[in-house]
Amino acid sequence: GAGVSQSPSNKVTEKGKDVELRCDPISGHTALYWYRQSLGQGLEFLIYFQGNSAPDKSGLPSDRFSAERTGGSVSTLTIQRTQQEDSAVYLCASSLSTGRASYEQYFGPGTRLTVT
Amino acid sequence: GENVEQHPSTLSVQEGDSAVIKCTYSDSASNYFPWYKQELGKGPQLIIDIRSNVGEKKDQRIAVTLNKTAKHFSLHITETQPEDSAVYFCAASITEYGNKLVFGAGTILRVKS
Repeated sequence: GAGVSQSPSNKVTEKGKDVELRCDPISGHTALYWYRQSLGQGLEFLIYFQGNSAPDKSGLPSDRFSAERTGGSVSTLTIQRTQQEDSAVYLCASSLSTGRASYEQYFGPGTRLTVT
Repeated sequence: GENVEQHPSTLSVQEGDSAVIKCTYSDSASNYFPWYKQELGKGPQLIIDIRSNVGEKKDQRIAVTLNKTAKHFSLHITETQPEDSAVYFCAASITEYGNKLVFGAGTILRVKS
């Protein structure tokens, strides 16, 4: 079946502009995660959604970052007033459940964001 | 919070030899330990995982071992092939707290033919 998809694959933006990154999880997966992969910081957790529960935003680096998940499926990560340090690959992952049923997280190909 | 350390940062082996990558974690509450393989330009791919109630798990040429007392776990790849060349990441999480993965820094594995 189809895996996790992300768009765009690449995004170049000017410092100060807002960007939106999209994630389409695997159908039926109730949990959705965003991670960031940068040269200096490795892979770091940003935010996760589980069903209709309030999202866990504990990994967001600043209030310029926000995310939403509509209808329990597609998610959008928004970065406002982008800074050069926001340049990284943004990865989305989905999981069947965060409960006992399944822990495996499956990643999309990522969006490479470059802030000039 | 959880901290995961991974060694070595780079590893070169001859085709057919074995490769071992080691990780240590700090939070004794962590109970889920996946390993991911990442090829250039792609997202991480889950290759094997282990839960804290198990000491070892094997899948063909790949095996993972977990020592809860010492808080370390290792990835073993036997009979390496050129297509095993990639970056490998270990991770740890507490499944009851949202299963948010904390990753090691990664190991670049090169298999020379």
